[in-house]
Amino acid sequence: EVQLVESGGGLIQPGGSLRLSCEASGFTFSRYSMYWVRQAPGRGLEWVSYISDSSSTMYYADSVKGRFTISRDNARNSLYLQMNSLRDEDTAVYYCARETTGLDYWGQGSLVTVSS
Amino acid sequence: AIRMTQSPSSVSASTGDRVTITCRASQGISSYLAWYQQKPGKAPNLLIYAASTLQSGVPSRFSGSGSGTDFTLTINCLQSEDFATYYCQQYYSYPFTFGPGTKVDIK
Repeated sequence: EVQLVESGGGLIQPGGSLRLSCEASGFTFSRYSMYWVRQAPGRGLEWVSYISDSSSTMYYADSVKGRFTISRDNARNSLYLQMNSLRDEDTAVYYCARETTGLDYWGQGSLVTVSS
Repeated sequence: AIRMTQSPSSVSASTGDRVTITCRASQGISSYLAWYQQKPGKAPNLLIYAASTLQSGVPSRFSGSGSGTDFTLTINCLQSEDFATYYCQQYYSYPFTFGPGTKVDIK
């Protein structure tokens, strides 16, 4: 069974840093590109970042470019999102998702709250 | 960035109704479009990819059509478990933008 489990969320002050993790199981992680998608409270979905299967290609939304870094460790079946210089508007549930044609599996989400 | 719009933003319907949701891209995206269903407090669920291909396990009452800039998600014979918010997403070019969502609620 495919599973994606996020961790690392929490309450952080503006300007702080947080690292999200997504542990994958039930499939060959190294063969798939992965995404981070977030959803602010009561709002829609926002694509955040993408990383290819071999980490050779990465993309970021303009809203996080220069502050967030996506990475992965295929040996550990894990995806990461390093978030620096956090702002109030980064408050959201962060989902990791697997790409095939569309995003076919999603984690349960990890809540990040940026507040003083 | 490609901008995605959806209409209506919300629709009230009854069990057994047919519901149609429209998604429009600000530029042509061929058939690189997916539809997702999201229920409160849950992660989105992929319904359709490549504009019209049903994801495995998704009931056949869901269907998608369109190409280029205009796309449609149709739900035939609405069931109680279909009351949710629906999002389209283009994966033609980065950033892979989502539409703002359409909430389907009970009339």
